[in-house]
Amino acid sequence: DQQVKQNSPSLSVQEGRISILNCDYTNSMFDYFLWYKKYPAEGPTFLISISSIKDKNEDGRFTVFLNKSAKHLSLHIVPSQPGDSAVYFCAAIVTEKLTFGTGTRLTIIP
Amino acid sequence: GAVVSQHPSWVICKSGTSVKIECRSLDFQATTMFWYRQFPKQSLMLMATSNEGSKATYEQGVEKDKFLINHASLTLSTLTVTSAHPEDSSFYICSATKGASYNEQFFGPGTRLTVL
Repeated sequence: DQQVKQNSPSLSVQEGRISILNCDYTNSMFDYFLWYKKYPAEGPTFLISISSIKDKNEDGRFTVFLNKSAKHLSLHIVPSQPGDSAVYFCAAIVTEKLTFGTGTRLTIIP
Repeated sequence: GAVVSQHPSWVICKSGTSVKIECRSLDFQATTMFWYRQFPKQSLMLMATSNEGSKATYEQGVEKDKFLINHASLTLSTLTVTSAHPEDSSFYICSATKGASYNEQFFGPGTRLTVL
C-alpha cells in the first residue's frame, strides 16, 4: 500500500522555467512533509519541508505547497537550473516514521 | 555539518554468505539511526529504527533474524545481512538524527549489495 505517491516518474523542463513536482498522499495523519533530492548512487539530500499546519514554505528557489483537503503537495523550483537534474522524492512523517514516494526524475534541458 | 558515511559503498557476495554494512555519523552523535532499502525504480522503504544501546525496531515484513542491526555507539550502526540470497540484492541506505526530532534525517550515500 503506497501511502505517498508521485505519479509522474519523469519530468523535463527548459532551463530558466519553472519545475513543478507533485505528490499525493492517502494518510491524513501525516503531520510533516519533506522533499529530498537524490543523485545516482548517493543518499537523499534534504531540500525543504513543511508542517501540516502550514500551506506554503519558501526557501530561495524552492517553494513547497500543501493542500491538505486534497492531500496533495507540490514542489516548485524557479528558475530551474541544470544542476537541479536529479530524482526528487517527497516524504511524509507520522509517528516518527518517514514514508517516501516513488520519486520523479527531473531533467533540466539547457 | 551533519555527515553520514557508509561502508562499503558496494559489495558483491555469494549466496549464503553474510555481509556487514556500517553506518557512521562523522561529526555528530546520532540519537537514532534508520535503515532503508531501495529496489530499482521504487521508493526507499524503512526497514528498522535503532537507538544506541537498545534493540532495533523492525518494520512489518522485515525479518529480524535475517537483517541483524547493532547500534553499539552513538556514531555507529551496523546492518548484517545473514545468509544472503539474490533477492536481497538492493541499495541499502542509512540515516541518522541529531536530536529528538525525526523530521530531519541525514542520509548516508548508500551501499549497493549484489548477491550472486
